[in-house]
Amino acid sequence: QSILTQPRSVSGSPGQSVTISCTGTSTDIGNYKHVSWYQQLPGKAPQLIIFDVTERPPGVPDRFSGSKSGNTASLTISGLRPEDEAVYHCCSYAGNYRVLLAGGTRLTV
Amino acid sequence: QITLKESGPTLLKVTEALTLTCSFSGFSLTTNGVGVAWVRQTPGGALEWLGSVLWNGEQRYNPSLTNRVTITGDTSRNQVVLTLTKMAPVDAGTYFCAHYIWYRQLFNVWGQGTLVTVSS
Repeated sequence: QSILTQPRSVSGSPGQSVTISCTGTSTDIGNYKHVSWYQQLPGKAPQLIIFDVTERPPGVPDRFSGSKSGNTASLTISGLRPEDEAVYHCCSYAGNYRVLLAGGTRLTV
Repeated sequence: QITLKESGPTLLKVTEALTLTCSFSGFSLTTNGVGVAWVRQTPGGALEWLGSVLWNGEQRYNPSLTNRVTITGDTSRNQVVLTLTKMAPVDAGTYFCAHYIWYRQLFNVWGQGTLVTVSS
């Protein structure tokens, strides 16, 4: 089974930008546009912040942006705020109705 | 407004079966392109998709759990039931159900989750 790989943690200062990577393979991230990102605040359920690589649901600030290159997807958070401190999970469709989720990256602001 | 909530026994012994119910509102499981998924989170924080039941009644499961997991939907009661057999300590964690949009392959709204403990 494919595995998506994220860094365990990243950090940044208020106002700065950080980028979180998510590396998969040519059978998941590299083959489909259905890459999504979820923000999980402490003690809460994950919440969708990016879908289809670059799209934001209503209400998600444009400080959050997504991209993809080859087998790697990335989430960039610009203008960091203390309330952005959370765990961020990436997710990719892997064909045949299968969905892959990654281990999550803890962002410290 | 879409809401989901998980319920069921949360303390199990090794080899027992886990049965959780997801009660939802704000959408119909018969709507084209919609489904309900189950996702669990290990104590270490990693998320794992367990499977989904779709608007057309089809079920899709994580290949690593195919022989142990069953997900069924009851459209009349707006409920989805997860059954996971032969529970082991590695199956402990928080179990979430989520509103799933198949065409976008995303989990749109999540339940609050329920913590499952497995004892030997």
